[in-house]
Amino acid sequence: AQKVTQAQTEISVVEKEDVTLDCVYETRDTTYYLFWYKQPPSGELVFLIRRNSFDEQNEISGRYSWNFQKSTSSFNFTITASQVVDSAVYFCALTTWRNYGGSQGNLIFGKGTKLSVKP
Amino acid sequence: DGGITQSPKYLFRKEGQNVTLSCEQNLNHDAMYWYRQDPGQGLRLIYYSQIVNDFQKGDIAEGYSVSREKKESFPLTVTSAQKNPTAFYLCASSIEASLGSRELFFGEGSRLTVL
Repeated sequence: AQKVTQAQTEISVVEKEDVTLDCVYETRDTTYYLFWYKQPPSGELVFLIRRNSFDEQNEISGRYSWNFQKSTSSFNFTITASQVVDSAVYFCALTTWRNYGGSQGNLIFGKGTKLSVKP
Repeated sequence: DGGITQSPKYLFRKEGQNVTLSCEQNLNHDAMYWYRQDPGQGLRLIYYSQIVNDFQKGDIAEGYSVSREKKESFPLTVTSAQKNPTAFYLCASSIEASLGSRELFFGEGSRLTVL
């Protein structure tokens, strides 16, 4: 079965704190893609990053960084020096090439983590 | 500016009525999708279309219908057969149909409330 677990439902931090959002995934496939999306209060989901299963290099983009560890099936997201504008719901998602009874290539979303950054 | 436009943003419906949500994109993307989001939940795929005049059911297609007569348009009809239609609906597109490798671009969503 394919599954994405975001155990943290809500996180609240004060501006300038670092925060890590956890994502644990399950899949039987060896080829898969992992994504992070941000959903601000306006509603649309904004793509942040895509990582394929063969690339375990961590990535840094400005204040954002991602730690992909296949050994623990995790793809965690860290925001350094958080800002109020980072307040949003963040979704981790997984897709593979196989059809496990759902739509082929369907994105499996976690339930999201609501991040509140207070000034 | 290029993007995805969903309308209406808010919609109220009486039980037993069908309602159609509009989704238009000017990104020249081949593939379009409809997702449903419930409070505290992730997104679930309703329908998707990889090419004009073709579409496939997603994981929760019952009670919904779609059409794809034009590349830029993918309207979703929520029928009276949908038992619990109150939700936030998101339309998305991707540059090509290989969903597994391409990121999705989302509209701002339509919030449907059944009275």
